[in-house]
Amino acid sequence: EAAVTQSPRNKVAVTGGKVTLSCNQTNNHNNMYWYRQDTGHGLRLIHYSYGAGSTEKGDIPDGYKASRPSQENFSLILELATPSQTSVYFCASGEGDSQNTLYFGAGTRLSVL
Amino acid sequence: GDSVTQTEGQVALSEEDFLTIHCNYSASGYPALFWYVQYPGEGPQFLFRASRDKEKGSSRGFEATYDKGTTSFHLRKASVQESDSAVYYCALGDYYNQGKLIFGQGTKLSIKP
Repeated sequence: EAAVTQSPRNKVAVTGGKVTLSCNQTNNHNNMYWYRQDTGHGLRLIHYSYGAGSTEKGDIPDGYKASRPSQENFSLILELATPSQTSVYFCASGEGDSQNTLYFGAGTRLSVL
Repeated sequence: GDSVTQTEGQVALSEEDFLTIHCNYSASGYPALFWYVQYPGEGPQFLFRASRDKEKGSSRGFEATYDKGTTSFHLRKASVQESDSAVYYCALGDYYNQGKLIFGQGTKLSIKP
């Protein structure tokens, strides 16, 4: 069954440290997305990609970078983690057509101390 | 920019009650509208979509009708069950950037047996 897999599922990081969140999809979808989920804000888009080698800024990109080395993999990178980046992060894939249906992973809970 | 507003942050009901979760949107163009559901410890799952005015989307007993006049897409279910306890997200597809979804703040539904 097609799936979106995130790793790690939980992460504790120190302020100023580098954090990499990984995502792998077997849906063969062109588009991939990183969202963060916070109470009162719902899901907010950080970065997305149209395919291997492409990354685009979403609505809240500051403090984050993204990398799409292949169709299947999409990483979110926090070069200098801050406590305000404590959140639950979700990766999703989609065909990128007018149907807009996204398929989400189970999430990564990140705590920055 | 485009936005989605869910009026209720939390809803508490008893089994067999009628459910309404309100969703209003603001968008340029003619976006598709979505409902996603998120169970504890999981990522959001696609529930259903509607793409044009007066179109009704439905799944698992839930339904919503796209109303361009009132810019609404309210979620309804006639008789809720304890298993419906989850967080529900209304979302709209970015008309100019196919594949992007803009989410509302989410509504936590709790059902007492």
